[in-house]
Amino acid sequence: EDKVVQSPLSLVVHEGDTVTLNCSYEVTNFRSLLWYKQEKKAPTFLFMLTSSGIEKKSGRLSSILDKKELFSILNITATQTGDSAVYLCAATNSNSGYALNFGKGTSLLVTP
Amino acid sequence: GAGVSQTPSNKVTEKGKYVELRCDPISGHTALYWYRQSLGQGPEFLIYFQGTGAADDSGLPNDRFFAVRPEGSVSTLKIQRTERGDSAVYLCASSLRGGSSTDTQYFGPGTRLTVL
Repeated sequence: EDKVVQSPLSLVVHEGDTVTLNCSYEVTNFRSLLWYKQEKKAPTFLFMLTSSGIEKKSGRLSSILDKKELFSILNITATQTGDSAVYLCAATNSNSGYALNFGKGTSLLVTP
Repeated sequence: GAGVSQTPSNKVTEKGKYVELRCDPISGHTALYWYRQSLGQGPEFLIYFQGTGAADDSGLPNDRFFAVRPEGSVSTLKIQRTERGDSAVYLCASSLRGGSSTDTQYFGPGTRLTVL
């Protein structure tokens, strides 16, 4: 059975800190890994990664995929209180590429 | 509209009742997905529509759950004889083409269903 595991489950940091969120996966016929940010209810898309070793970057957020070791990390530098959210990682496989297989998420709280 | 919309935002019902949850996808998106998110968990896939047809309903937990998308746009998730275990946030997502792991899914704000 496909599995996506995120760590840590929760994290509290001070504004300005840098955080690294982890996502490991065991997915048959892996195709892509995605990161979403969930504030309140709607997950908002951050990154999609399909190739190993290529960093995707958007402002203070960046992510990279390691297909050999089966994990991805999401980095947030110079954190702000607005970064407080649940960060979800999801994987897809080639068999049913549309079904996102999510981890439980990492709950991040950035304190002033 | 600009994004995926879902109504109602909250629904409280009694055990055994029937409920309908509505999803309005991004205009022009052919693919639509339903997910269910229980407290402290990530969303779980329920069903995927390509156009009007359900291309994959393997995530529906049992035959009390049914979804339709008659005109290839708005979708309704229907739950019969609701149970307390159905309480969750029901999320809808849409994507431009569907059927591809590189087609980005955009989520709506969800409907929080509470079954008393």
